[in-house]
Parts: sequence; C-alpha cells; structure tokens
Amino acid sequence: DAKTTQPPSMDCAEGRAANLPCNHSTISGNEYVYWYRQIHSQGPQYIIHGLKNNETNEMASLIITEDRKSSTLILPHATLRDTAVYYCIVRVSSGTYKYIFGTGTRLKVLA
Amino acid sequence: ETGVTQTPRHLVMGMTNKKSLKCEQHLGHNAMYWYKQSAKKPLELMFVYNFKEQTENNSVPSRFSPECPNSSHLFLHLHTLQPEDSALYLCASSPLAGGQETQYFGPGTRLLVL
Repeated sequence: DAKTTQPPSMDCAEGRAANLPCNHSTISGNEYVYWYRQIHSQGPQYIIHGLKNNETNEMASLIITEDRKSSTLILPHATLRDTAVYYCIVRVSSGTYKYIFGTGTRLKVLA
Repeated sequence: ETGVTQTPRHLVMGMTNKKSLKCEQHLGHNAMYWYKQSAKKPLELMFVYNFKEQTENNSVPSRFSPECPNSSHLFLHLHTLQPEDSALYLCASSPLAGGQETQYFGPGTRLLVL
C-alpha cells in the first residue's frame, strides 16, 4: 500500500498562498494522489486529484514532482475559512479500491 | 452540501440499546462506504458496498451491522456497543468502487456510547 507523510501542522497568513507538502515515495504508477480537507466535525471535502500532471481547479492547484514521490497542494489566497485538516491520500488497490487516510496537516490561517 | 445526507447528526446511546444510522446519496452513485473517525485518529474504512453488494468488511466487530437495500441508501445498525465505539461515523459514495473514483462524504453522525 502506498502511504503518505505530511507535516502535522502549518500556519499561513490570510491572503497568502498556503503550500501543503506530501510525501508518497512508494506510490505505484497507476495510483492517483487525492487531497481532501476536513473542517472541524464535518465530513471530508474533496479538493483535487492528479496522476502525473499538475492540476488546477477553482479551489486549489496540485503540483506533482516528476518522479511522483511527492506533491504539494497550493491554496493561492488562503482565507480564515480554509482553516482545516488537509489529507493527502494515495488510493490503493487491494481487491477493492479504497482510500487510506493518514493524520493529515492541520492548517491554521491567521488573520 | 455534497449530495450525501446522514441522520441523525448526533446520537447518544447506552450499551444495551439498538440504534441505526442512515445515509442517503442523491448523486446517482453505485458505491457507498462507512468510515469511523475516533478522536485523534485517522479515518478508518469499515465497509464498502458496490451495487448493493458488500465488497469489503475491514474486520469490523459484529456489533456493527451494515445494510444496503439499494444504491441510494446505506444503514449501519448498532447493538451492544462499547464506550470505545464513540466516534464520528461518516458515510461516503462514489460512482463505482473501482477505478479512480472520487468519494463524496456526508456530514457524519457523532455517536456517544455511555
């Protein structure tokens, strides 16, 4: 199973870009990287996912290194409402496809 | 609003009670999931249903009994729970439990077992 490693916590000033790193050195060639976030006591919210190429949507950008062993989620202009736990997930295949959640990065956006 | 609803949002039950958690998805998906999130622990996958058939049971104790009558509804029946079962129970759905499918989560049911 591919596992991910994230820093336990980060702070970011409001209005600045938040760059959240993730290591997934054992990722397989056909496994995507997903990012979710969980605001306190709510269900996880899908943000973005990618395989090899960088991806961008209305919420964030995802930068994946060429060797695919790490990635960075970028929130271009963080707001107070972006304060949450961010999970980097590599979906594994072992009969049934499933997510393996780690402990994530607790991002605190400061006013 | 993700299109996945869960009821009740909060539940307190005694160890001898029987209760059920309900999940409904309005997304036309065919796969549904139950996850457990205990305090200060990562989300743990409990069950996976694909086209109403259970395809994964992640070594969950038998006091948790899932039911999937159709692709839109998922239940988790609870009986003789223990205090350590207190947690946030999350339901999710995806188009299929295969391929690179994005899962969409409900708001969760926060369960307290006394």
